[in-house]
Amino acid sequence: KAGVTQTPRYLIKTRGQQVTLSCSPISGHRSVSWYQQTPGQGLQFLFEYFSETQRNKGNFPGRFSGRQFSNSRSEMNVSTLELGDSALYLCASSLAPGLAYEQYFGPGTRLTVT
Amino acid sequence: LAKTTQPISMDSYEGQEVNITCSHNNIATNDYITWYQQFPSQGPRFIIQGYKTKVTNEVASLFIPADRKSSTLSLPRVSLSDTAVYYCLVGEGHHGSSNTGKLIFGQGTTLQVKP
Repeated sequence: KAGVTQTPRYLIKTRGQQVTLSCSPISGHRSVSWYQQTPGQGLQFLFEYFSETQRNKGNFPGRFSGRQFSNSRSEMNVSTLELGDSALYLCASSLAPGLAYEQYFGPGTRLTVT
Repeated sequence: LAKTTQPISMDSYEGQEVNITCSHNNIATNDYITWYQQFPSQGPRFIIQGYKTKVTNEVASLFIPADRKSSTLSLPRVSLSDTAVYYCLVGEGHHGSSNTGKLIFGQGTTLQVKP
């Protein structure tokens, strides 16, 4: 079956702009989590969605937001981009929330803010 | 707040057994502890998960003591292709609740396997 897909794969934006990243989970998976990966901070949890509801949120400012649609696809949005937002953004899908269910990661979206 | 600690790096030789320990406190009492492997330019890939005691699959074993304040990933007979970064993933415990809060990755352990 098809894996987790993320679009776009690469993105270059300017400070102050906003960006929307998309994640399509594996068919049948209803939970989607988002992570930010940087060399300095490692993998940091952004938020988790299940059945269109945000279940948990990491320690990121309100400029980071997300949503999940009825088909389980998810988007995350970052407004007023800062240089420090340059990172690899990963999404992962699983059958349900919690770590009892294996998370399958997509290849990520590489965001560069200039 | 949950906190995780892993060694930054480890070196090994082909054929050896490698053990990587992650220390974690204040984790959700009712959720699993999971380990992932990541190669450059790829998303993390699931290796193994466990709740307590010992779990073994075709690629690794996971040891979790009764207090669940640490977990040890064991890779038997590593090969050059096992060179990667290894992460533990836990759920933060909610104060007064056993449910999982936000998910916390360890800092990652870079394993270098030498011939």
